[in-house]
Formats: sequence, C-alpha cells, structure tokens
Amino acid sequence: SQQGEEDPQALSIQEGENATMNCSYKTSINNLQWYRQNSGRGLVHLILIRSNEREKHSGRLRVTLDTSKKSSSLLITASRAADTASYFCATPATTSGTYKYIFGTGTRLKVLA
Amino acid sequence: EPEVTQTPSHQVTQMGQEVILRCVPISNHLYFYWYRQILGQKVEFLVSFYNNEISEKSEIFDDQFSVERPDGSNFTLKIRSTKLEDSAMYFCASSRDSGPYEQYFGPGTRLTVT
Repeated sequence: SQQGEEDPQALSIQEGENATMNCSYKTSINNLQWYRQNSGRGLVHLILIRSNEREKHSGRLRVTLDTSKKSSSLLITASRAADTASYFCATPATTSGTYKYIFGTGTRLKVLA
Repeated sequence: EPEVTQTPSHQVTQMGQEVILRCVPISNHLYFYWYRQILGQKVEFLVSFYNNEISEKSEIFDDQFSVERPDGSNFTLKIRSTKLEDSAMYFCASSRDSGPYEQYFGPGTRLTVT
C-alpha cells in the first residue's frame, strides 16, 4: 500500500538555517502533498506536487519530486522560530480513482531562536 | 481566505454515548472527508463523501460511524456508541474536485471518551 515515510523523524536547527525533510513512498503516485501541523492543532496545506512536476516553490518552501526514486523533499529556507512544527507528506492510496490520502509519521522540526 | 471550520473544538463524552462532530467545508468545494489522529500516531483516513453519498471508506469506518450532509453547508460525523479507543483528534477536510486537488483541513475536534 502507499505509505509516505518522512526522514528524519526529528530535526533541530538554528533560526536562519535551511531545513530539509524527505519523504519516501512505495508505489506509483500521481501527486504528493505536504502539510504542516503545529502541536495539537490542525493540518495546514503547504504544497501539492504532481507526478509530472519535478520541483515547486511557494515562498520559502521548495518541494522536489523524484518519481524514479519514489521520494520527495521539502526545503524550508531561512527558517524562523514560527516554522517549528511537524511536517507530513501525504500520498494517494492508489494511482487513480481515490480520495484517500495516506500520511507519514512526520518530521518534527524545531527552530531555535 | 476561505477555511474549513469545525465544532466543537473539544468534546468529552462517556463511553456508549453518541456524538456528532460538525464541519463546515469551504463553500465551493464538492468533496468532503473525515480523518482522525490518535494522540502520537499518524493521521488516518476515515471516509470521503461526494454527491450525498460515501465514495470511499477505510476499515476504521465501521457501522458505528456515519456521515451526513444535512444541509448545503454542514457535514457531520456521527459515532453511535463511543468507545475509549475512539478518543482522537478528528479532522474534516474538503477539496474542490477529486483527483490531484488539495485537501484543506479544519482545525479538528478533540474527542475524549471517558
């Protein structure tokens, strides 16, 4: 089954540094989404990247997708204390015809001021 | 910017009681979802809903669960007879269309079953 697994599980950096999180999945997908979750709060949608896209940007976020390696990365540049959160990738359960997304276990990012 | 809203933010109930969790999806969205997250665990898909019927459900979504869109704006999740293991954060989400469209999540309802 589809499963996004993030790596590392936890990451601690200084404010201003870049943070890179990786997501690996098992089978073919047509898109992948990244979400942020602050402690005990809801999920905030960050970026959706389609399988025919290799890279996508949104503000300080850069997402890449390598379908040959079945992996995606999320880069946060010039991190801020407010970026402290858990970050999840989510992949569709099947290649088509599904509304179900499977979430990984997340990367807990801590940005130190 | 339009948001998904959920009420209540926290619900405490006794085992065996029925609970209804409410959501107002983004107004021009057509697809609606419920997910849950048990404390410290992954976010898990429960059900998707389109055109007034369930389009997909997980093995978690058994006969104790039901969903409804009682009017043009609300989307509800009912748990008929709550169990201790139903304690979790329940998230409603909506998307404009099916396929590769962003699913936008609400802030969640924390359900505590005692």
